[in-house]
Amino acid sequence: AAGVIQSPRHLIKEKRETATLKCYPIPRHDTVYWYQQGPGQDPQFLISFYEKMQSDKGSIPDRFSAQQFSDYHSELNMSSLELGDSALYFCASSLGLAGSQGDTQYFGPGTRLTVL
Amino acid sequence: TQLLEQSPQFLSIQEGENLTVYCNSSSVFSSLQWYRQEPGEGPVLLVTVVTGGEVKKLKRLTFQFGDARKDSSLHITAAQPGDTGLYLCAGLASGTYKYIFGTGTRLKVLA
Repeated sequence: AAGVIQSPRHLIKEKRETATLKCYPIPRHDTVYWYQQGPGQDPQFLISFYEKMQSDKGSIPDRFSAQQFSDYHSELNMSSLELGDSALYFCASSLGLAGSQGDTQYFGPGTRLTVL
Repeated sequence: TQLLEQSPQFLSIQEGENLTVYCNSSSVFSSLQWYRQEPGEGPVLLVTVVTGGEVKKLKRLTFQFGDARKDSSLHITAAQPGDTGLYLCAGLASGTYKYIFGTGTRLKVLA
């Protein structure tokens, strides 16, 4: 069965550079979530989209933005990168909003971002 | 801010032992999920509990949602080395469409 695809899997950037992470949800899934997981930390919710509109927002820095496109894939844009942005970034997808029937989140393999 | 505290934070046990992981909050959650995460991989959903007092079993794993929907527990019977991993609870924050993850429990089962 198809799973959530994230690209790239690994990314190395310098401070103050920009980065774009991509997430391709499971086919027919209409909801996408982004999480940031620092070393030894639990995943922190950043932002989510349902039917191409932002459904909720967490601790996402103003330097980050995200959107969901017409084909339901999502991109997380990160600018003015800082050392503290180094983390695993996970995307998850579900069918329907969190709390609705079938809202099980399926996580992608993550993108490991390293900021030097 | 709704927080989920997990205990213990670390647990190292021998194969065959039983263990219980706790997930506690002062807030009420609409539903709660348990995940297991391997290093470098995304969390994998184990179970979702929705109703207060609900108990679900998944082979050697038993999950319980507290009556007041503020806490949950995961009990593993006869742990095996393959159970090693990071166990995370995640609660659906009231009035939102986002899941708040717990602080995590790192389990190591020794053969």
